[in-house]
Amino acid sequence: DGGITQSPKYLFRKEGQNVTLSCEQNLNHDAMYWYRQDPGQGLRLIYYSQIVNDFQKGDIAEGYSVSREKKESFPLTVTSAQKNPTAFYLCASSFRREGYTGELFFGEGSRLTVL
Amino acid sequence: GNSVTQMEGPVTLSEEAFLTINCTYTATGYPSLFWYVQYPGEGLQLLLKATKADDKGSNKGFEATYRKETTSFHLEKGSVQVSDSAVYFCALSGFQKLVFGTGTRLLVSP
Repeated sequence: DGGITQSPKYLFRKEGQNVTLSCEQNLNHDAMYWYRQDPGQGLRLIYYSQIVNDFQKGDIAEGYSVSREKKESFPLTVTSAQKNPTAFYLCASSFRREGYTGELFFGEGSRLTVL
Repeated sequence: GNSVTQMEGPVTLSEEAFLTINCTYTATGYPSLFWYVQYPGEGLQLLLKATKADDKGSNKGFEATYRKETTSFHLEKGSVQVSDSAVYFCALSGFQKLVFGTGTRLLVSP
């Protein structure tokens, strides 16, 4: 089945530790995205990538880092510089289009809790 | 810039009631419009979409019509079920990314 796989589903971290969230897609999509969602809140864009080896900051990139070495993979690292990392993280992908973005396909999410 | 405004929730309804969730947008050009649904603890799923003015998207009894004259894309369903309880997000296609509304929580009681 084609889709987006995020792992782990649940993750606990001590303060001061970096953690990496995995996102893999087999939809042959060019573009990939990371969003953060806080309880009862909407989505905030962290980073996005339209093509391999290129990515752009979203609205809340501080304290996060990404890489895009393969088309299928877009891991997100939550660094110790992120002051309030406890949240639900969503990865998404879409076909790349000139001009407007097409629909996004989302993974099931990763819930990060800082102890 | 592009933006989406949704009605605040929660919207609380009894089973079989009529549902409307308002969504208005501000955009340049001719974006596509989307409704996504999020069930507790899950990612977002595309519910329906419309790519040009006067298009009607529909799925699972939900409908929304792309109204350019009123810049709106309201979500409607004639008879809601308990299983429709979720958070609904309106979104529009921008350059390289989607612009999401803040989401509207729907609670349906038996």
